Amino acid sequence: GNSVTQMEGPVTLSEEAFLTINCTYTATGYPSLFWYVQYPGEGLQLLLKATKADDKGSNKGFEATYRKETTSFHLEKGSVQVSDSAVYFCALNSGGSNYKLTFGKGTLLTVNP
Amino acid sequence: GAGVSQSPRYKVTKRGQDVALRCDPISGHVSLYWYRQALGQGPEFLTYFNYEAQQDKSGLPNDRFSAERPEGSISTLTIQRTEQRDSAMYRCASSLGVRATNEKLFFGSGTQLSVL
Repeated sequence: GNSVTQMEGPVTLSEEAFLTINCTYTATGYPSLFWYVQYPGEGLQLLLKATKADDKGSNKGFEATYRKETTSFHLEKGSVQVSDSAVYFCALNSGGSNYKLTFGKGTLLTVNP
Repeated sequence: GAGVSQSPRYKVTKRGQDVALRCDPISGHVSLYWYRQALGQGPEFLTYFNYEAQQDKSGLPNDRFSAERPEGSISTLTIQRTEQRDSAMYRCASSLGVRATNEKLFFGSGTQLSVL
């Protein structure tokens, strides 16, 4: 079956630090990969996605590259801001039930000024 | 409305009671999803609608859980004879199209259910 494994948090960084949140996956077929973000008190929002191998998703300074050979989709940002503090979820969909997202457990990021 | 709206925001109930959770999707969104998120976990799929038709209910844990979307807009997730293990955040999401492959899902803020 499908599964997503994210690095455990919480992650605490100073403003302008470099961010990496690791994500690896197991899936049947050719999954699409996503990062969702949840800001305090809000619902999950799509941050970026990649639909095939070697694609790079990017948004708001965040990037993630679909690596089929390592089954990974690590999230990176070169310089984080306090406003990036949130919970980040890696997710995939795959196969015949491609509307069904499988999420990782989430990684809490706190950025201090 | 501007986003996906869920009510109530918090629900505290006693074991054995029935609860109904409401989801009002973004206007015009055809697809609607219910997910459940336990503390410290990612959301887990429960069920999915296209218009008023329930396309997949494979994620519903047992027959105490049911969902409906009778007019293809507002949806209700009902849990009968609640148990403490049902305590979780229940999240609703909607998307624009019928075939949701790679479509952007818009999530509501969720209903936090606590069963005492």
